[in-house]
Amino acid sequence: NAGVTQTPKFQVLKTGQSMTLQCAQDMNHEYMSWYRQDPGMGLRLIHYSVGAGITDQGEVPNGYNVSRSTTEDFPLRLLSAAPSQTSVYFCASSYSGTTNTEAFFGQGTRLTVV
Amino acid sequence: QQQVKQSPQSLIVQKGGISIINCAYENTAFDYFPWYQQFPGKGPALLIAIRPDVSEKKEGRFTISFNKSAKQFSLHIMDSQPGDSATYFCAASIWGKLIFGQGTELSVKP
Repeated sequence: NAGVTQTPKFQVLKTGQSMTLQCAQDMNHEYMSWYRQDPGMGLRLIHYSVGAGITDQGEVPNGYNVSRSTTEDFPLRLLSAAPSQTSVYFCASSYSGTTNTEAFFGQGTRLTVV
Repeated sequence: QQQVKQSPQSLIVQKGGISIINCAYENTAFDYFPWYQQFPGKGPALLIAIRPDVSEKKEGRFTISFNKSAKQFSLHIMDSQPGDSATYFCAASIWGKLIFGQGTELSVKP
């Protein structure tokens, strides 16, 4: 049972490039979300999904797109990378989006934009 | 606007001491308050959680105290150990959406 798997673990991008951060879970969880972690800021919610085909914005959605075509996968797309998007990105999943249950996090993707 | 405020930012405690981390929230609609523990290079993992109809929850050396009227909650780590050295995040949740505090870096000295 792999839990939440994020790829890649590390990435360096040039300003203006686009890329997709992958996230997959094998726990049949309805709810998935993306966070970014910056020093002194904690984890801030970027986008979330309460099920396949349903996504919504979190606290800091600008510059990021998401889609959820399957229960298992929730990719995060950076449309045109900016240095301000240098961060550690975490994907999380939990059983339900309507009741509060434990969120399971991936190992993170460390992104540097130069 | 930070909906969940956490303090202190860093904390140094001697082995065997008590570590205390505090959080305050604004939105009274939050109905689930978890604490997450994160080791370097790893993702956060759930440590302990409480619902607002309970004033205290204890699991081993870890205790959450919850004050609904003050909109505050705290984590107490009794008999702190070097293995507890990590970053701790409080969070508040509504409809599964977690809002995190800024984090506290705890260092337990032997």
